[in-house]
Amino acid sequence: NAGVTQTPKFQVLKTGQSMTLQCAQDMNHNSMYWYRQDPGMGLRLIYYSASEGTTDKGEVPNGYNVSRLNKREFSLRLESAAPSQTSVYFCASSEFRGGGSHEQFFGPGTRLTVL
Amino acid sequence: TQLLEQSPQFLSIQEGENLTVYCNSSSVFSSLQWYRQEPGEGPVLLVTVVTGGEVKKLKRLTFQFGDARKDSSLHITAAQPGDTGLYLCAGSTETGANNLFFGTGTRLTVIP
Repeated sequence: NAGVTQTPKFQVLKTGQSMTLQCAQDMNHNSMYWYRQDPGMGLRLIYYSASEGTTDKGEVPNGYNVSRLNKREFSLRLESAAPSQTSVYFCASSEFRGGGSHEQFFGPGTRLTVL
Repeated sequence: TQLLEQSPQFLSIQEGENLTVYCNSSSVFSSLQWYRQEPGEGPVLLVTVVTGGEVKKLKRLTFQFGDARKDSSLHITAAQPGDTGLYLCAGSTETGANNLFFGTGTRLTVIP
């Protein structure tokens, strides 16, 4: 069981370049998420997918697009990278547990620098 | 706007000391979770609390959900170097909702 995997681990882009961050989970979870983590800001939700075939905006969606390719995979695309998108990006997956909460399982993160 | 504020932001203590981390909001949450994150890794869930006033213990860690479900605390007894990490609280405003709102984080360093 690999859990949640993310590629790449590190990436450096120039302003205006595009790239896709890949995420896959092997826990058969319905829900998947993309977050960004910046110093002093905690984790902020970019987009999420409650189930295969659906996606919704989170708190900070501008400049990003997502694709829920199938139940396992959820990708995040930066069409035209900007320095403000320099951050650590985390993918997560979850399944609703009785008792009112989703326990989220996180990948190891992608460290992105935009010059 | 940050829904959840954590304090302190940084905490450095000696091994064996006790500490408390706070997570506060003006919003009511249906459930609240605590995660720990180590450098270079993603957060890992420690506990979920769902009932106002609920107290849960995980070895030397004690988690409490406020009576009004607007705040939570994490108390660590006899801290050890292995407790070093970033502690994040995260709340859900609706039962079963996918969205989690994360706090700003408390970075704990336990000095041997």
